[in-house]
Amino acid sequence: DQQVKQNSPSLSVQEGRISILNCDYTNSMFDYFLWYKKYPAEGPTFLISISSIKDKNEDGRFTVFLNKSAKHLSLHIVPSQPGDSAVYFCAASGSGGSYIPTFGRGTSLIVHP
Amino acid sequence: DGGITQSPKYLFRKEGQNVTLSCEQNLNHDAMYWYRQDPGQGLRLIYYSQIVNDFQKGDIAEGYSVSREKKESFPLTVTSAQKNPTAFYLCASGPPLPEGEKLFFGSGTQLSVL
Repeated sequence: DQQVKQNSPSLSVQEGRISILNCDYTNSMFDYFLWYKKYPAEGPTFLISISSIKDKNEDGRFTVFLNKSAKHLSLHIVPSQPGDSAVYFCAASGSGGSYIPTFGRGTSLIVHP
Repeated sequence: DGGITQSPKYLFRKEGQNVTLSCEQNLNHDAMYWYRQDPGQGLRLIYYSQIVNDFQKGDIAEGYSVSREKKESFPLTVTSAQKNPTAFYLCASGPPLPEGEKLFFGSGTQLSVL
């Protein structure tokens, strides 16, 4: 049973436009959420995170929004660049999972020039 | 230059053979993890260790074994009992739980069956 769901396996966006990647979770004990970016044949790298006490966190072109009541978070990339093309993993942690991050299946983002 | 080193980058396993994947970190992290990535499956936790000489099974530990004799090292052995070992294996480390939510990953080992 997936506790962290990324229902879109892939997303294609034009350079300069906004990319929106979505993530849903089922465990109400999760209270910390992270996004990782992964290139092929490499390990994921941390991108941005958000605590459940916030509903938005911004870092340059990347913004993560959290809707606790809907158990939904999203990652916005504005403007999108070809170098952003990668697989993005959503992860969640909290007392419900012994604080070990649980990962979604990832969304492959392709940004076209 | 701090980081996590996984070796080898590519590994091939013969039928009935045990193979060991290496993971070394110089980030002085207490916690270390092994994840497996299959296409379309995301990252699934195999084993984790929060302290030297202690480790816990993750969601898919069957057919795998680990040791944690040193803080810097967390090798993973894929045994012959693991019937579907072909995958991309990722090692990660982080500060001790519960505050260590952010993980640092190695570059991975691609294991294939001959």
